[in-house]
Amino acid sequence: QSVLTQPPSVSEAPRQRVTIPCSGSSFNIGDNAVNWYQQLPGKAPKLLIYDDHLLPSGVSDRFSGSRSGTSASLAISGLQSEDEANYYCSTWDDSLNGWVFGGGTKLTVL
Amino acid sequence: QVTLRESGPALVKPTQTLTLTCTFSGFSLTTNRMCVAWIRQPPGKALEWLALIDWAGDKYYGASLKTRLTISKGTSKNRVVLTMTNMDPLDTATYYCARRIAASGSPFDYWGQGILVTVSS
Repeated sequence: QSVLTQPPSVSEAPRQRVTIPCSGSSFNIGDNAVNWYQQLPGKAPKLLIYDDHLLPSGVSDRFSGSRSGTSASLAISGLQSEDEANYYCSTWDDSLNGWVFGGGTKLTVL
Repeated sequence: QVTLRESGPALVKPTQTLTLTCTFSGFSLTTNRMCVAWIRQPPGKALEWLALIDWAGDKYYGASLKTRLTISKGTSKNRVVLTMTNMDPLDTATYYCARRIAASGSPFDYWGQGILVTVSS
């Protein structure tokens, strides 16, 4: 059972937009910035979004992030088949004194 | 160019101690705010943060495995070592090392390719 809650899977058609939610508490998302990682099949995680909404160099602007209260979300617009991956949210937890991850969401592009 | 690479045994027996090494380049762990962390992922499951060491040598551990873990700087200045005692089949996972630049909320910005460690007799 992960500290941060994500839906196990989402799916959407190509060229459409999808949102992946991440729910936490006042000890984590409610008090700390959220980072998102993309993990392609068989690969290591890759930083996708940091500090809630910032994009690392080289990441497509089709990806965007936001945080409000004790929840955060990742949005992907103009879906492409190459976006099929697992997506993880992560942040610091003040109660656990450590970094926590969501359970991951598998994105399927129909 | 920042790179990290994990090395160690692919197979360990139950009760043994696992020793993993993270060899990195493109940054120095003696530079202010630089950190290296270990994160693992059991097959088909989520990521779990294990430990982190920072530029000052301060060490941080995840609560659930704290008593079994030791993170340290390697004998070579571009290496970080993780040891995990009393290995169990449930510890079978891909182990990643990752860099972090310390700041409020800052992410793990570069990851190694990971090493799959299987615990089996």
